[in-house]
Amino acid sequence: EADIYQTPRYLVIGTGKKITLECSQTMGHDKMYWYQQDPGMELHLIHYSYGVNSTEKGDLSSESTVSRIRTEHFPLTLESARPSHTSQYLCASKSSRGAGLQQFFGPGTRLTVL
Amino acid sequence: DQQVKQNSPSLSVQEGRISILNCDYTNSMFDYFLWYKKYPAEGPTFLISISSIKDKNEDGRFTVFLNKSAKHLSLHIVPSQPGDSAVYFCAASAAGNQFYFGTGTSLTVIP
Repeated sequence: EADIYQTPRYLVIGTGKKITLECSQTMGHDKMYWYQQDPGMELHLIHYSYGVNSTEKGDLSSESTVSRIRTEHFPLTLESARPSHTSQYLCASKSSRGAGLQQFFGPGTRLTVL
Repeated sequence: DQQVKQNSPSLSVQEGRISILNCDYTNSMFDYFLWYKKYPAEGPTFLISISSIKDKNEDGRFTVFLNKSAKHLSLHIVPSQPGDSAVYFCAASAAGNQFYFGTGTSLTVIP
């Protein structure tokens, strides 16, 4: 069973607040990802990292930023939340070694910005 | 432009019957395909995958078929059970780095 955690699970916050969504994995995976998903829509890649001190923006433009200072930790920060940021945020990780190429997902953070 | 498409937003099937979920892709460079299952308020969980060198992969009640010439894959669930009711996402990757997801198909298995 995958060990990837996200906190908080649910967050309701006012416009203009700074928020950080936490994601941690204990599997030693080198690759980590952040997706944004709305109901009935595909998962959109917003950030990814292939290792410590490596971060890239995904296909979906996002006003968020990420950091990867430790292998196990990949937090996502919104400097000033807006109602358009309301969505579900999913963190995932995978190993570049071994036969399996699947990503392991955390439980997600449901963000609501009022 | 969406590279992975699931054209059926929902599917209802009687318990014990076969569920067939479909997925189409446009990028011929994709060489690895996966199916994920997602319950509400949870993250997706990996179900089954297939490499482009194969046309079929089976794992218990779940079978994935790949038709490269048609750029089409399908997930068969036999027999369907009420616990299979969830949203199923198809995903594709080229060289295992970035993954592209479909919009999902909501499966309801009726007891």
